[in-house]
Amino acid sequence: EDKVVQSPLSLVVHEGDTVTLNCSYEVTNFRSLLWYKQEKKAPTFLFMLTSSGIEKKSGRLSSILDKKELFSILNITATQTGDSAIYLCAVFYRDDKIIFGKGTRLHILP
Amino acid sequence: GAVVSQHPSRVICKSGTSVKIECRSLDFQATTMFWYRQFPKKSLMLMATSNEGSKATYEQGVEKDKFLINHASLTLSTLTVTSAHPEDSSFYICSASPKVLATSYNEQFFGPGTRLTVL
Repeated sequence: EDKVVQSPLSLVVHEGDTVTLNCSYEVTNFRSLLWYKQEKKAPTFLFMLTSSGIEKKSGRLSSILDKKELFSILNITATQTGDSAIYLCAVFYRDDKIIFGKGTRLHILP
Repeated sequence: GAVVSQHPSRVICKSGTSVKIECRSLDFQATTMFWYRQFPKKSLMLMATSNEGSKATYEQGVEKDKFLINHASLTLSTLTVTSAHPEDSSFYICSASPKVLATSYNEQFFGPGTRLTVL
């Protein structure tokens, strides 16, 4: 069964802390893995990862993919209250299918 | 739990025809359903939000007469692309939430998407 599992389901940290969010997957014919930040309604695209070991970085956010161990991590350093959101991981696989994880709800305390 | 299905997964149609895409919540009641369009750079554009039994709320720039949304039951929402044109070709994704839409982010469970190709 194809699946995407995110952990933890929820996380509460203090401002300034660093967090690591996990996404593991089991799919047939993996194509790419995407990270989104969901605050209001529509998730905002963060990263797309297709190759193992290449870190993608945007400001305080970074992400990396391990295609051997079938997982990705999303790191957020020096967290701010504005980072509070649900972070979604999604995997494109086979011809044109997508599976979203259940998300990690991150709450940053001031 | 919280499984959302979409049908069909892929559809190819001729320009000018209408296409209906179904979104179903299989093991929960979806008070609110969302329809998205995914663009080549992988961003998701929210098209509309629908609450069961009421009219859909469309985002700015989305033609309500072209993209008809019906949320007739707590487990089914449909998106009909009317008089489809090649520029409507895209990946359409639905999501469903068991909660009535509040002011902040809610849990959304995503479907597997439908690839529409209009010739």
